[in-house]
Amino acid sequence: AQSVSQHNHHVILSEAASLELGCNYSYGGTVNLFWYVQYPGQHLQLLLKYFSGDPLVKGIKGFEAEFIKSKFSFNLRKPSVQWSDTAEYFCAVNAPPGGYQKVTFGTGTKLQVIP
Amino acid sequence: NAGVTQTPKFRVLKTGQSMTLLCAQDMNHEYMYWYRQDPGMGLRLIHYSVGEGTTAKGEVPDGYNVSRLKKQNFLLGLESAAPSQTSVYFCASDGEGGFAGELFFGEGSRLTVL
Repeated sequence: AQSVSQHNHHVILSEAASLELGCNYSYGGTVNLFWYVQYPGQHLQLLLKYFSGDPLVKGIKGFEAEFIKSKFSFNLRKPSVQWSDTAEYFCAVNAPPGGYQKVTFGTGTKLQVIP
Repeated sequence: NAGVTQTPKFRVLKTGQSMTLLCAQDMNHEYMYWYRQDPGMGLRLIHYSVGEGTTAKGEVPDGYNVSRLKKQNFLLGLESAAPSQTSVYFCASDGEGGFAGELFFGEGSRLTVL
């Protein structure tokens, strides 16, 4: 079955610092990859997604992610974080073993940005 | 346009009691999902549905039942609640079964089983 690993469980950064959150997935074939964000007290919402094409994907609020097939990775980046980026970030994947209708989520990374 | 609406938002149950969580979406989506979110475990898929009248098991289906009698509604039932089912439950819908990639989530239902 497909799986997703997020190795950073809790990250604390100062405002203006750069961010990189790791995400690795287990399936070796064609995958669709996503990053979702959950702001405090809110529901999850899509940050960005990768299906095919340019491996560098740009999302909302200045976030981007790079798909590196050889490393089975889809890391999330932002050059300069803001206090409002404090949230929990989830990497997710869907792929044929699970069926494209099933999205598997990682365990999440809590980001705390200190003003 | 409400999107995905979950009721109730909070509920406290005693062990052995039953309850139903209702998810309603107004986007005419075919695919609907129930996830549970627990600290350190992310979101885990309980059950899902690829259309009216169909349901399927996810990763953690034990202790839960679901029904999709109407396209817009997806019900999650707990027949005999257990403390291990204390969690935050999220419903989501998707118009294209993962190909579009965007799951639309409800605001969550926090369930505590004593």
